[in-house]
Amino acid sequence: QKEVEQNSGPLSVPEGAIASLNCTYSDRVSQSFFWYRQYSGKSPELIMSIYSNGDKEDGRFTAQLNKASQYVSLLIRDSQPSDSATYLCAVRGSSASKIIFGSGTRLSIRP
Amino acid sequence: DGGITQSPKYLFRKEGQNVTLSCEQNLNHDAMYWYRQDPGQGLRLIYYSQIVNDFQKGDIAEGYSVSREKKESFPLTVTSAQKNPTAFYLCASALTGGAAYNEQFFGPGTRLTVL
Repeated sequence: QKEVEQNSGPLSVPEGAIASLNCTYSDRVSQSFFWYRQYSGKSPELIMSIYSNGDKEDGRFTAQLNKASQYVSLLIRDSQPSDSATYLCAVRGSSASKIIFGSGTRLSIRP
Repeated sequence: DGGITQSPKYLFRKEGQNVTLSCEQNLNHDAMYWYRQDPGQGLRLIYYSQIVNDFQKGDIAEGYSVSREKKESFPLTVTSAQKNPTAFYLCASALTGGAAYNEQFFGPGTRLTVL
């Protein structure tokens, strides 16, 4: 079992709809959770961090964390073509000094 | 203008050569990291450093070496012992305390190709 798992996609969503990206993790004592966006050929960009159960909203982005189910998700409202990218989920587990990345979900927003 | 810089952007290596990738940050971050990304893959940790003059191996350290002589700098050397070094190399840095603990910020990356 991978430490951080994501569906590789591609996930195709019509423009203006809600895109839902999911991530599960194996380390029950994980404390910090991150979502990165990576455009093709570019480096990852941090878009959301979440540390407590529940929802955290920032503009069109909402991160959702459920530690009991070991599940974290990212919702993108009013999806735009510029949201087309690979989204990486990352988790800081029992090793406080490093984070583990999932392989990413490729999101495509169709006009 | 704060941030993380990596150089060069593109690097070509001949078989048997050692090459060094530069990473500099002016964010006053204590921790720095090197990752490797292969096409269609996630990020794999090569080395990381939490403090000057100290560093630890990550998951794929074989064939690589690092130094941390200054807080701002964390160069990565890809040695000839690394058999398949063609990849996208990413440097990141992070704070080591407080609410933003371990939020890692990335440089623009170096794309290394073996000829």
